[in-house]
Amino acid sequence: EAQVTQNPRYLITVTGKKLTVTCSQNMNHEYMSWYRQDPGLGLRQIYYSMNVEVTDKGDVPEGYKVSRKEKRNFPLILESPSPNQTSLYFCASSSLAGVGETQYFGPGTRLLVL
Amino acid sequence: QKEVEQNSGPLSVPEGAIASLNCTYSDRGSQSFFWYRQYSGKSPELIMFIYSNGDKEDGRFTAQLNKASQYVSLLIRDSQPSDSATYLCAVNIVDGNQFYFGTGTSLTVIP
Repeated sequence: EAQVTQNPRYLITVTGKKLTVTCSQNMNHEYMSWYRQDPGLGLRQIYYSMNVEVTDKGDVPEGYKVSRKEKRNFPLILESPSPNQTSLYFCASSSLAGVGETQYFGPGTRLLVL
Repeated sequence: QKEVEQNSGPLSVPEGAIASLNCTYSDRGSQSFFWYRQYSGKSPELIMFIYSNGDKEDGRFTAQLNKASQYVSLLIRDSQPSDSATYLCAVNIVDGNQFYFGTGTSLTVIP
């Protein structure tokens, strides 16, 4: 089954404790992306990757890191989480980023930073 | 100014009616436009995309794009209670790599 998986699905942590949210897709997609969703602000793009070893900042990259060492995986790293990073995070992938290409979203990771 | 703007609603329509959802965008270089549906607690799923001016129909859904007015809309005909969800408008900007989403419009279809 074609899918995007994220782990963990729920996470409660404390300020400053490094964490990683994993994202994996089994569709051999080149393009992967991370979003956060907050009430009243909608979905905002954090980082995206066009292919292995190619990553770029989205609209709200501050406080986040990513890596793309393998095509299927695109982990999101919070080196020193802060309460304002409490949010719902989605990973997405698509074959390309261009016209008409749909992004497939993972199930989401709900993060609470105390 | 936000890249993509939507009326947050809530929008309520009776079952069987036409629901009309609207979206405006600020970047004239935007290339393609997407409508996603998101049920509460779930991830967004694509309904339609459009990149040429005019209408595009898919079943009960019609997307309309007017690049001169920087406006894209989604019409849902014969609305069903199962259409009750938040609808997200998204645009893909000039370089094709970044996506901007609106805040979404909440739709309730009343049986």
